[in-house]
Amino acid sequence: DAEITQSPRHKITETGRQVTLACHQTWNHNNMFWYRQDLGHGLRLIHYSYGVQDTNKGEVSDGYSVSRSNTEDLPLTLESAASSQTSVYFCASSESGASYEQYFGPGTRLTVT
Amino acid sequence: QQQVKQSPQSLIVQKGGISIINCAYENTAFDYFPWYQQFPGKGPALLIAIRPDVSEKKEGRFTISFNKSAKQFSLHIMDSQPGDSATYFCAADRTLNAGNNRKLIWGLGTSLAVNP
Repeated sequence: DAEITQSPRHKITETGRQVTLACHQTWNHNNMFWYRQDLGHGLRLIHYSYGVQDTNKGEVSDGYSVSRSNTEDLPLTLESAASSQTSVYFCASSESGASYEQYFGPGTRLTVT
Repeated sequence: QQQVKQSPQSLIVQKGGISIINCAYENTAFDYFPWYQQFPGKGPALLIAIRPDVSEKKEGRFTISFNKSAKQFSLHIMDSQPGDSATYFCAADRTLNAGNNRKLIWGLGTSLAVNP
């Protein structure tokens, strides 16, 4: 069965370190998204991609970067982790033209100390 | 700027009761209005979606009501069960350009607790 996976599921890191969260999908979807979820803020879009070599900034992109070298993967990098980036991160994917139906991964809980 | 406003923030319902969650939007260029359900420790999952040319859509105990003139839509959960306890998100889907690129605008979520 097709799926979307995230790793690691839990991560504790120190302020200032670079951190990369992995996202891998086997749906063969062109669209991929990264969100962060914080209490009171719902789901906030960090970065998104509509295909290989395409990346776009979302509403809370400062301090984060992504690259898309193939269809299956969209890693999220925190260049220099800050305590404000402590959150639960979700990756999602969708077919082109039907992005209202997004398939979410299980999430990564990141703690920055 | 929140383009989709969701209420209430939290909701407690007795088993067998009706849960109602409301959303209002500000942009008329939305094409789909999906609802997502998220259980603790899991990612959100699509529950039900409606197009703006339809006033109501029902799937089992879940119904979306859509009022285009008022720019409002709501989720009704009939005969609410403890297993429905979750966070519910409304969203609006719009096209960014002339192509197929689309993006979801999310409400802030409603935490539903159904008491046994």
